[in-house]
Amino acid sequence: EAGVTQSPTHLIKTRGQQATLRCSPISGHTSVYWYQQALGLGLQFLLWYDEGEERNRGNFPPRFSGRQFPNYSSELNVNALELEDSALYLCASSLDGGGGSDTQYFGPGTRLTVL
Amino acid sequence: AQSVTQPDIHITVSEGASLELRCNYSYGATPYLFWYVQSPGQGLQLLLKYFSGDTLVQGIKGFEAEFKRSQSSFNLRKPSVHWSDAAEYFCAVVKASGTYKYIFGTGTRLKVLA
Repeated sequence: EAGVTQSPTHLIKTRGQQATLRCSPISGHTSVYWYQQALGLGLQFLLWYDEGEERNRGNFPPRFSGRQFPNYSSELNVNALELEDSALYLCASSLDGGGGSDTQYFGPGTRLTVL
Repeated sequence: AQSVTQPDIHITVSEGASLELRCNYSYGATPYLFWYVQSPGQGLQLLLKYFSGDTLVQGIKGFEAEFKRSQSSFNLRKPSVHWSDAAEYFCAVVKASGTYKYIFGTGTRLKVLA
C-alpha cells in the first residue's frame, strides 16, 4: 500500500512569489494535515482538512492557505513568500480525523527554500 | 496554553547502551500522547501512542514509553540501542476531545556511537 506522497521534493522560490505544495493521502484516508518544520522549531501545525472542509488551522497568517479535493488530495499555497517561510513542509493523513486517537501517517515532505 | 517540552536537544549513546528520551507536557487534562521518529530525508514514523489504560506502552523497534500523570511526563526508553536508531525523535500531544490539533516538541537528535 502506498504511503503519503508529496510533491515536489524541493522547491526554490524568491521573496514575494507564491508556492504550491501537493499531497496525496493514503488510500481510504479522508483527513489531511499540514505542518511546517523550520530549523530549531520542531513541527508547527498549519492546517487540517477533512472531507473537503478546513477543520482547523494553526497560528499562521492568512497567506498560508490550502484546499482539499474530492479525491482527498490536498494543496498548500503560500502567498507573498518571506525568507522565514523556508522550511520542510510535511503532510500527514489519517482515516477520518475523528479526534486525537486517529493516528497520523506522514509523507517525506517538501523542502521550500525562499531566496 | 498547551505545550510539549523535550529538554534534550542532542543525546549521544554507545551502541548497546540503554536510552531514555524525556518528554514533559503542560495540559489541563490527560491528552493523547505520541512518539514519532524521523530519519534523515524521511517523514515521521509513529513509534507508539498512549490513549488510556496501562501506563507502560510498547511500540515498534523495541521502544517503550511510560506515562506518569503526576510528573506530566511520557518518556521514551529502549534497553539496548542499535546504530540504526540514530534519528530525531519527537514527542507529541493532542487534545483528547474538542478541536483536533497536534502539538509537537522540538525534538531530540540521537547519535549512536559504534
